[in-house]
Amino acid sequence: GAVVSQHPSRVICKSGTSVKIECRSLDFQATTMFWYRQFPKKSLMLMATSNEGSKATYEQGVEKDKFLINHASLTLSTLTVTSAHPEDSSFYICSLPVRTSRELYNEQFFGPGTRLTVL
Amino acid sequence: QQQVKQSPQSLIVQKGGISIINCAYENTAFDYFPWYQQFPGKGPALLIAIRPDVSEKKEGRFTISFNKSAKQFSLHIMDSQPGDSATYFCAASPGNTPLVFGKGTRLSVIA
Repeated sequence: GAVVSQHPSRVICKSGTSVKIECRSLDFQATTMFWYRQFPKKSLMLMATSNEGSKATYEQGVEKDKFLINHASLTLSTLTVTSAHPEDSSFYICSLPVRTSRELYNEQFFGPGTRLTVL
Repeated sequence: QQQVKQSPQSLIVQKGGISIINCAYENTAFDYFPWYQQFPGKGPALLIAIRPDVSEKKEGRFTISFNKSAKQFSLHIMDSQPGDSATYFCAASPGNTPLVFGKGTRLSVIA
């Protein structure tokens, strides 16, 4: 499968500050990546689809001005949480859809996640 | 229509036993059904996946059973081990689109 890295793995910030989370594809070109948010003991909720060289597509209810996504290269997508508040504290995970030889459709491979805590 | 309903919410299985997790869907456009395993503080890892033209797929101790007419699919973990203790998510998607996830099942395998 594909290898996806995220940085940082954990971040603690003060309310009102901005935090940038990086998601890198190490062995496949990433024209598309997905960003998910997961609250404790809950399922993954899709936030947005990141598209290389164009604007991200946000899911209903996700504030595009608060969660800025940049996908400037085929290996890197970034999510910036602007003016963070305690309610933004969550586990943020990116994923990469890859068409591997064993499936006709894209399999999704997830990064290790970033734990954001806003004080 | 976009939901994937997963049960049970939690499951306790004796070591060596069979763990069974079920999922049901409504959207007939779904045609890709993966299962993910997630350990605390880690990202989900793809375990096994199936497409609707196959009724069963086995990889090692993990088997997916798929019932297209009932719109249900399940994960069976044979010879469950304490190391299998994790949260399992079923998911589905119509073609090459983002996955819709079930709510997850917390599996505890006890010795």
